[in-house]
Amino acid sequence: AQKVTQAQTEISVVEKEDVTLDCVYETRDTTYYLFWYKQPPSGELVFLIRRNSFDEQNEISGRYSWNFQKSTSSFNFTITASQVVDSAVYFCALIGSNDYKLSFGAGTTVTVRA
Amino acid sequence: EPEVTQTPSHQVTQMGQEVILRCVPISNHLYFYWYRQILGQKVEFLVSFYNNEISEKSEIFDDQFSVERPDGSNFTLKIRSTKLEDSAMYFCAIAIGGSSTDTQYFGPGTRLTVL
Repeated sequence: AQKVTQAQTEISVVEKEDVTLDCVYETRDTTYYLFWYKQPPSGELVFLIRRNSFDEQNEISGRYSWNFQKSTSSFNFTITASQVVDSAVYFCALIGSNDYKLSFGAGTTVTVRA
Repeated sequence: EPEVTQTPSHQVTQMGQEVILRCVPISNHLYFYWYRQILGQKVEFLVSFYNNEISEKSEIFDDQFSVERPDGSNFTLKIRSTKLEDSAMYFCAIAIGGSSTDTQYFGPGTRLTVL
């Protein structure tokens, strides 16, 4: 069974601060895929990134960056220079190569104060 | 990003009533999913549907739940006799591409309230 742990329940920062969200996973699959989704206050789930288990390169997209470390089974997400619009719940998720479902972490609520 | 719509956006029902939640992907896809999220909690998998049949279902997806594609485009989730604990946000998702591990894109959700 897949397991995703997001130990941080809530994070509150002031605008322009950086914030890092932790994600630790457990899987027996050698091939798997990791995801981050954003859930703003409006409630929809917005896809942010997909990363496969063989690609450990860090990725940057604008103010967002992701650090995948297989050795520690972590896939952390950093928002640089946070903005109020970044306030949302962020979910980390995993799917194994033979799965048909995403396994989600509990989510981390990020509040960015002006 | 592929577009997925869900209707209704909010459904209020009495306990014991049947509800049907609808998902309409704009283009043709092979993989369909239903997830639910009880208020303030994590997103939970319900069922996946591939090639017009269930490929995997969770323990939550008991005999009270069913899915189908009645007309080849809509994808529906039926709850036969709703319970108070069925109150949640229900999300439909689709995967583009030819693999179950492709990115899943979610619809806006249907908020179900059971009274």
